[in-house]
Amino acid sequence: DGGITQSPKYLFRKEGQNVTLSCEQNLNHDAMYWYRQDPGQGLRLIYYSQIVNDFQKGDIAEGYSVSREKKESFPLTVTSAQKNPTAFYLCASSMSRTPGLAGVAGHEQYFGPGTRLTVT
Amino acid sequence: AQSVTQLDSHVSVSEGTPVLLRCNYSSSYSPSLFWYVQHPNKGLQLLLKYTSAATLVKGINGFEAEFKKSETSFHLTKPSAHMSDAAEYFCVVSNSNDYKLSFGAGTTVTVRA
Repeated sequence: DGGITQSPKYLFRKEGQNVTLSCEQNLNHDAMYWYRQDPGQGLRLIYYSQIVNDFQKGDIAEGYSVSREKKESFPLTVTSAQKNPTAFYLCASSMSRTPGLAGVAGHEQYFGPGTRLTVT
Repeated sequence: AQSVTQLDSHVSVSEGTPVLLRCNYSSSYSPSLFWYVQHPNKGLQLLLKYTSAATLVKGINGFEAEFKKSETSFHLTKPSAHMSDAAEYFCVVSNSNDYKLSFGAGTTVTVRA
């Protein structure tokens, strides 16, 4: 059964602690993404990776870190430097890392179920 | 640069009546456009996409959208709302030379019995 899994679904942490959110995909997708969603707002891009061992900052990367050691895995660490970490975090993946490759002009992304992080 | 504006933050309809969710976009290149749906505390599910083929796009669950370049719009419609359509809907744009997605702020749909 193909798809994207995120764990855990709910996560609670004390302020000042680092926490790592898991994201795994078995779709054989090259590209993976992390987004943050706050109430009443659209999704904002934190980090993305187009290929193994490479990743780039998105629009709101401060206070976050990632790694991409395997094609199927893209974990996100929320560090103590993130000023307002409480949010819903969504991981996504897409097939092509190169625009227009193989006729995939759309680059639609497939999303995991999300992790709701609460920091107190 | 690319951006999306969803013109309604909240839409309320009666079950069995039409649904219209409005979306305008701006893009420097030939855009790809998407509509996603999100049920509470869930991930996003792709409803439909436009990628420079037919301007009228049919998606899942009876939804469709029409790409109008002259109006820079990509409105989502459904002829008859169902209770299960209550969710948040996001209009999304991507440039043809880029893989990054730009999301609208979302439209919350409420369906009245």
